[in-house]
Amino acid sequence: SQELEQSPQSLIVQEGKNLTINCTSSKTLYGLYWYKQKYGEGLIFLMMLQKGGEEKSHEKITAKLDEKKQQSSLHITASQPSHAGIYLCGAVRAGGFKTIFGAGTRLFVKA
Amino acid sequence: GAVVSQHPSRVICKSGTSVKIECRSLDFQATTMFWYRQFPKQSLMLMATSNEGSKATYEQGVEKDKFLINHASLTLSTLTVTSAHPEDSSFYICSARGTSGGETQYFGPGTRLLVL
Repeated sequence: SQELEQSPQSLIVQEGKNLTINCTSSKTLYGLYWYKQKYGEGLIFLMMLQKGGEEKSHEKITAKLDEKKQQSSLHITASQPSHAGIYLCGAVRAGGFKTIFGAGTRLFVKA
Repeated sequence: GAVVSQHPSRVICKSGTSVKIECRSLDFQATTMFWYRQFPKQSLMLMATSNEGSKATYEQGVEKDKFLINHASLTLSTLTVTSAHPEDSSFYICSARGTSGGETQYFGPGTRLLVL
């Protein structure tokens, strides 16, 4: 089974709508990354969260790590077609070395 | 953010040949580089971790004799797919972590390999 569970697997939203993507781990995380990927391309770093309760923003994208450091949510406000892509969460385990990725959430934004 | 490049961006080869993929950190020194493989509509699967000047650490199920990794300098790591077969066709992505502190991994644009 996946070490990291992302939900939903895919999401279609109307332009201008808000949306949330979740990433859940069964183990406490040392840190959590959010990346965006367009099909067939590399990953664009969005943000990294390390402290319980930490929240960061990047333009219209906000991500938060819960106090237990086992769940993170990514929230996009007023979505635009440019937000479309695959959002991947990556977990850094204790020891802070390897990053393991969730299955990704495919976001489609209808104009 | 930091820049990581990969070369080539795509390659088509015949079955049985070997293919080398380069990963370079362009504006920072990377003590650690990671190689991932991604199948269509799937997530990234970590293949191996390499540290400059030492042998790579392979994930379970990854054949180290088939996927040769060399991290020759702080800015260059190479992945060689030896005796490639059609099932090796995939999207290979490298990432690098810098020496100057911070945990952020920066990813290359990926290399699409098609083995005929």
